[in-house]
Amino acid sequence: GAGVSQTPSNKVTEKGKYVELRCDPISGHTALYWYRQSLGQGPEFLIYFQGTGAADDSGLPNDRFFAVRPEGSVSTLKIQRTERGDSAVYLCASSLDGPLDEQYFGPGTRLTVT
Amino acid sequence: KNQVEQSPQSLIILEGKNCTLQCNYTVSPFSNLRWYKQDTGRGPVSLTIMTFSENTKSNGRYTATLDADTKQSSLHITASQLSDSASYICVVSANSGNTPLVFGKGTRLSVIA
Repeated sequence: GAGVSQTPSNKVTEKGKYVELRCDPISGHTALYWYRQSLGQGPEFLIYFQGTGAADDSGLPNDRFFAVRPEGSVSTLKIQRTERGDSAVYLCASSLDGPLDEQYFGPGTRLTVT
Repeated sequence: KNQVEQSPQSLIILEGKNCTLQCNYTVSPFSNLRWYKQDTGRGPVSLTIMTFSENTKSNGRYTATLDADTKQSSLHITASQLSDSASYICVVSANSGNTPLVFGKGTRLSVIA
């Protein structure tokens, strides 16, 4: 596609529920990144994929968060037992090779946990 | 600890005026510094990217400077337009293939008529 796309654009869920957020990177980009952005803050790194493998998952806040990229393209961020503090915009980005390359961001998914 | 600090936190200027946003960082070893523009409800969009050897780079009415010795960068916006209203985020990359980008909190710019 022309750019990074993310679905859904908005997600409202109840505390304790499971959610999946999807990211479609730019075609041909081997690197994919997930960030979380709270209101008035800059994006916070969560995890970075190189191909199918997670090259760096040091930003995942706890074991309720998990992400996959099984075929090296689309990625899914999964959050179990959601908490109100998980409410944020979840941004996905992709780059051609790795973190030193230009990163192109998607529009984000706004997650609200009630 | 790798950090990026931006100032001011927010800024309001009149249309047509110039402004300068500041960024200080402690990321080491340094690889590159980027400025992003983020409109409300959208993902960040890259404006400039500078490596250690570059001390200025322009993109239209946006000019970024970098002083790698003092670890400071600035983003100068000339002849501001209403569409410049956005958050401007300074992002620094360490010189390591697997090290994530370090984001500042951004400066919220409002351009008013």
